[in-house]
Formats: sequence, structure tokens, C-alpha cells
Amino acid sequence: KAGVTQTPRYLIKTRGQQVTLSCSPISGHRSVSWYQQTPGQGLQFLFEYFSETQRNKGNFPGRFSGRQFSNSRSEMNVSTLELGDSALYLCASSPESLGANEQFFGPGTRLTVL
Amino acid sequence: AQSVSQHNHHVILSEAASLELGCNYSYGGTVNLFWYVQYPGQHLQLLLKYFSGDPLVKGIKGFEAEFIKSKFSFNLRKPSVQWSDTAEYFCAVSALNQAGTALIFGKGTTLSVSS
Repeated sequence: KAGVTQTPRYLIKTRGQQVTLSCSPISGHRSVSWYQQTPGQGLQFLFEYFSETQRNKGNFPGRFSGRQFSNSRSEMNVSTLELGDSALYLCASSPESLGANEQFFGPGTRLTVL
Repeated sequence: AQSVSQHNHHVILSEAASLELGCNYSYGGTVNLFWYVQYPGQHLQLLLKYFSGDPLVKGIKGFEAEFIKSKFSFNLRKPSVQWSDTAEYFCAVSALNQAGTALIFGKGTTLSVSS
């Protein structure tokens, strides 16, 4: 099975712009989660989607949003970019069951905000 | 709110030394526990997981971890490290009564192994 794929792998944006990141989960996985990884804060949970519905949300401002499509692919959007949004954004997919499943991570999208 | 703390930010060992990385979590309910590893330039990958049963779990590459419920701990161990174990290690918790599979991660421990 192919792993989790994320596009693009690298992005450079300027403050005030918006950005959309894409994630394709492992075939058959219906849960997709997004995480932000920074040197200072480590890995922080952004949100999770399951069957096109946001099932769980972390403590991030409303500038961070996401969606999931019927084929389980997911996108996340960050509007009005700030310098502090520079990070590695990781997508993870998981089989259907709640809680008791590991998450499989993609390679991430490295976002740099100038 | 749930939280996970990893006691060591950076650990430096020589090959063949034993490893123990501490992890404590704060959550009163039932949890699933994970250790993930991120080798330089690679994806996060699962080392081992605890869902229920035997509190001593074995993972890949000779790693094991012990869940001690009374101490809210899930420490990672390896009897003899190799240079190839150089990586960043993350402890993570998932609460079973939450709506979803969100993982709460510790801040990570960087392990450097010298040959």
C-alpha cells in the first residue's frame, strides 16, 4: 500500500498570504489528522477529519481550517499567514476505529513564511 | 487538558550503552500510548504502542516500553543502542473517550549515539 502523501513538500509564502496544503491518506483510511511541528512547540494537533466531518479540533486560531473530500483526501488552509506559522505540517491517516489505532504519518509540508 | 512530558531534551550515548527515555502523561481516563521515532530526513514512524494487556510492550528494532498506570508513565528502553538509533523520539497519548484519534505529543527527545 502506498503511504500518506503530502503536496507540496516545500512552500515559501509571505506574511498576509494564504496557503493550501494537501494530503492523500493511505487507501482505506477514513480519518485524517493534521499536526504542526515546530522546534519550540514540538508536535501540536490541529484538527481531525472523518467522513468529511471535523471530528476533533486543537487549540489553533480560526485562520487554520481544513476539509475532507468524499475520497478521504484532505486539505488544510492557513489564511493571513504570520511569521510564526513557519513550520512542518504533518498529515496522518488512521483506520476507522476511534482512539485505539496508530496514525501513519506523511513526510510533511515545510512552510516558510517570510 | 491532557499533556505529555518527556524528561530529557537531549541524550548523548555511546554505542552499546543502555537507553531509557522518560515519558509521563496527565489524564485521568483510559489512554492509548505510543512512541514514535523520527530519523533524520524521514517520516515519523511508530516504534511501539500500548492499548491494553501486558504493560511491557515490545516494538521494532529492539525497543520496549513499560506502562506503569500508578505513575502515569510510559518509559522507553533499549538495552544496547546503535549509531543508527540516532533520531528524535516522541511519546504520545490518545484518550479513549475523546471523539477521534488525536494524539497529544511530548516535546521530543533527541538521541545522539556516537560510534
